[in-house]
Amino acid sequence: GAVVSQHPSRVICKSGTSVKIECRSLDFQATTMFWYRQFPKQSLMLMATSNEGSKATYEQGVEKDKFLINHASLTLSTLTVTSAHPEDSSFYICSARVPVVETQYFGPGTRLLVL
Amino acid sequence: GENVEQHPSTLSVQEGDSAVIKCTYSDSASNYFPWYKQELGKGPQLIIDIRSNVGEKKDQRIAVTLNKTAKHFSLHITETQPEDSAVYFCAATALSGGSYIPTFGRGTSLIVHP
Repeated sequence: GAVVSQHPSRVICKSGTSVKIECRSLDFQATTMFWYRQFPKQSLMLMATSNEGSKATYEQGVEKDKFLINHASLTLSTLTVTSAHPEDSSFYICSARVPVVETQYFGPGTRLLVL
Repeated sequence: GENVEQHPSTLSVQEGDSAVIKCTYSDSASNYFPWYKQELGKGPQLIIDIRSNVGEKKDQRIAVTLNKTAKHFSLHITETQPEDSAVYFCAATALSGGSYIPTFGRGTSLIVHP
C-alpha cells in the first residue's frame, strides 16, 4: 500500500507555544489530505480536509484560526496548533487520499502533550 | 449526512476462532467501504476494502461482505491469532460537498486470547 509519513511522532510543549505537524505522502501525489484528532479509546474525529493549492475545509466546531492547515504541494500538508493549551493534547493523525481510487492511507500519528 | 454504526464495541475470542464485526450505514449513496486496523499508539492501517459493485472480497484470512439493500457490511477474520488483537474501524464513503468523505464507525476492540 501507499506510504504516508508524519513528523514529529510525539511532541511535548509548553502552554502558549505553537506546534507544527507535517504529513507527507511518500510514493504518490495526494491532492487531498485529511487531518484527524483521536482521543483515547475513541474513534477518529475529522478536523479538516486539505486540498492542494486551496484553503482547507474545516468541520463544524473546529477553529480554523487555532488549527492552521497548509497544503502547499501534492505531497505535503502541515497542521499548526497555534497557542497550544493542555486541552489540545491529543493524538493527531493525517491521511492522504490516492486520486481516482479514493483510498485513504493514514500516517503513524503525532502524540501532542501540552504542559 | 452519513451515519455509521459499528458492533460490537468489544470482541473477545480464543486463538483460532473466527471474529465478525458488523457495520451499518445510512446514506445509500455511499459506494466505498474500507476497514482499518489500529494498534495501540499507531495510525490506522488499511486491511481490506470493498466497493458497492461487489458483494464480497477476500484476502487470506480476512473477508468483507456488503449488502447494499440492507445497508450493512461486515468484516470476517478466520483463524484468529494474537497479533490480530487491535481496534478495527469500518468506514462508509459518500460524496459530500464535492468531495468523497469517509464516515468512521466507533471502532471494535478485538482481543484474541492465546
